[in-house]
Amino acid sequence: DIQMTQSPSSLSASVGDRVTITCRASQSISSFLNWYQQKPGKAPKLLIYAASSLQSGVPSRFSGSGSGTDFTLTISSLQPEDFATYYCQQSYSTPRTFGQGTRLEIK
Amino acid sequence: EVQLVESGGGLVQPGGSLRLSCAASGFTFSSYSMNWVRQAPGKGLEWVSYISSSSSTIYYADSVKGRFTISRDNAKNSLYLQMNSLRDEDTAVYYCARAALRGAFDIWGQGTMVTVSS
Repeated sequence: DIQMTQSPSSLSASVGDRVTITCRASQSISSFLNWYQQKPGKAPKLLIYAASSLQSGVPSRFSGSGSGTDFTLTISSLQPEDFATYYCQQSYSTPRTFGQGTRLEIK
Repeated sequence: EVQLVESGGGLVQPGGSLRLSCAASGFTFSSYSMNWVRQAPGKGLEWVSYISSSSSTIYYADSVKGRFTISRDNAKNSLYLQMNSLRDEDTAVYYCARAALRGAFDIWGQGTMVTVSS
């Protein structure tokens, strides 16, 4: 199974900050990497697919990069509604493993 | 509106069974692969099972293999998860999710809570 490791596990930031979350795969997954946002009590929401493609309707302050084993999610200027938990997920092989999550909190 | 709505969750004793359903609307259900994903209280996301659009390909997580069965009825626009021999560690919110471009899960249901407890 491919293991997905996110860092950091939690992060405190302020509105307007630029934030980067990292995801590392235990083996190469090409660009089969997706990012999700989840708010408490809600279903996850797809933000980025195929490592760098922005899902329709997602604000352009979200961006993704990387290929192979190392990936990043960047939020260029944090907005109040961005405080949530973020998960990466590989869709290269089964099982479709998720990272452990990064909780983004208000500083 | 593109939508997935889960149902069938509830409280069940260890060793018991439950069948979850996921009703799809607003898109051509028969054209998409589907998944079940779960989230234990306070924990992260865990992929559970996958079924291709024609049901020809099915996968399970090791943690549920031999106990859970995924199925679908394209005529009824519905996805199912039959859960047998339930354990305490199966307690979670269960989500159905549509697989789209490059396997990303682009549409999710609101989730249904399954509690396994005596």
